Amino acid sequence: EVQLVESGGGLVQPGGSLRLSCAASGFTFSSYEMNWVRQAPGKGLEWVSYISSSGSTIYYADSVKGRFTISRDNAKNSLYLQMNSLRAEDTAVYYCARGLHGSGSFDYWGQGTLVTVSS
Amino acid sequence: EIVLTQSPGTLSLSPGERATLSCRASQSVSSSYLAWYQQKPGQAPRLLIYGASSRATGIPDRFSGSGSGTDFTLTISRLEPEDFAVYYCQQSRTFGQGTKVEIK
Repeated sequence: EVQLVESGGGLVQPGGSLRLSCAASGFTFSSYEMNWVRQAPGKGLEWVSYISSSGSTIYYADSVKGRFTISRDNAKNSLYLQMNSLRAEDTAVYYCARGLHGSGSFDYWGQGTLVTVSS
Repeated sequence: EIVLTQSPGTLSLSPGERATLSCRASQSVSSSYLAWYQQKPGQAPRLLIYGASSRATGIPDRFSGSGSGTDFTLTISRLEPEDFAVYYCQQSRTFGQGTKVEIK
């Protein structure tokens, strides 16, 4: 069974940092592209970042470029999101999501981890 | 940058009725990269349709997708109680704003 489990969320002050993790199991993690998607309270979905299966190709949404860093450790079946210079508008549930080969869509999602940026 | 506009914002229907949800792109997009998701309160989104018309694993055949170019449609042939939720379309890294299907 495919499982994605996020962790690392919490309350952080504006300007602070947080590192999210996503532990993957039930599939060959190293063969799949991965993404982070977020959802502000009561709002829609916003794609945040993409990383290729090898980690060699990375993309970011303009809203987080220069502040967030995506990475992965295929040996540990884990995906990460380092978030720096956090702002109030980064408050959201952050989901990791597996890319469905060749479709641009996301076929499995974690349960999400809440990040709250507030003083 | 492509913008996806979903309509209507809210759809009020009764169980057993047909639901038709629209997703319009600001420019022509590849059907291969158009997807639909369902999200219920407190849950992660679930992939329903990818490639505009292919059902994801385990998705009932009452869900169907169609369209090409700039206009795409998600149809739920007969609404079941568990289908009342918010639905999002997605093209690559862009999501629509969502359509809420609520019980009338």
